[in-house]
Amino acid sequence: DQQVKQNSPSLSVQEGRISILNCDYTNSMFDYFLWYKKYPAEGPTFLISISSIKDKNEDGRFTVFLNKSAKHLSLHIVPSQPGDSAVYFCAASAGAGNMLTFGGGTRLMVKP
Amino acid sequence: DTGVSQDPRHKITKRGQNVTFRCDPISEHNRLYWYRQTLGQGPEFLTYFQNEAQLEKSRLLSDRFSAERPKGSFSTLEIQRTEQGDSAMYLCASSPDWYEQYFGPGTRLTVT
Repeated sequence: DQQVKQNSPSLSVQEGRISILNCDYTNSMFDYFLWYKKYPAEGPTFLISISSIKDKNEDGRFTVFLNKSAKHLSLHIVPSQPGDSAVYFCAASAGAGNMLTFGGGTRLMVKP
Repeated sequence: DTGVSQDPRHKITKRGQNVTFRCDPISEHNRLYWYRQTLGQGPEFLTYFQNEAQLEKSRLLSDRFSAERPKGSFSTLEIQRTEQGDSAMYLCASSPDWYEQYFGPGTRLTVT
């Protein structure tokens, strides 16, 4: 059973516009959520995170929103840049230091 | 801070051979994790250590797989009698007892 799902395998956005990547989860024990960015032939790079006690966290162009009642989170990138083109993974954890459970990823393509 | 390093970056082996991968975590991080990623999927948890103690193993980690972290610093992951289904990217991550995990570049294994 997939506890973390990213239902859109790919997303294409024009440079300067907003990119919205979505993620759904099923496990109520998850208390922390993270977004990673991955380029080909590299390991995932940590991007931004959010605790389950918050509903929004912002870092520069990146904002993560959490809707606990819907078990849904989203990553907003504004404005999108061509260098943002990568695969984005949503991950969740149930307790500090524990394993991460990843979604299947969304490939973002930002067109100049 | 040199980040998480993994060696080798690529390994091609014949079915039935044994392979060993090494991971050097960020020096002050006491938690070390191994994940496996196949094409089109998100990383899947294999096992993790707190210092030298192996705290959790996934059911994905068959008895052909063994991981060690003998002195609480670097870790090795060995796969015995490799099978074609073992072909994947093997990722190592480290963490300072918190939620965010920092990944290395991975070791890509190809079993022919």
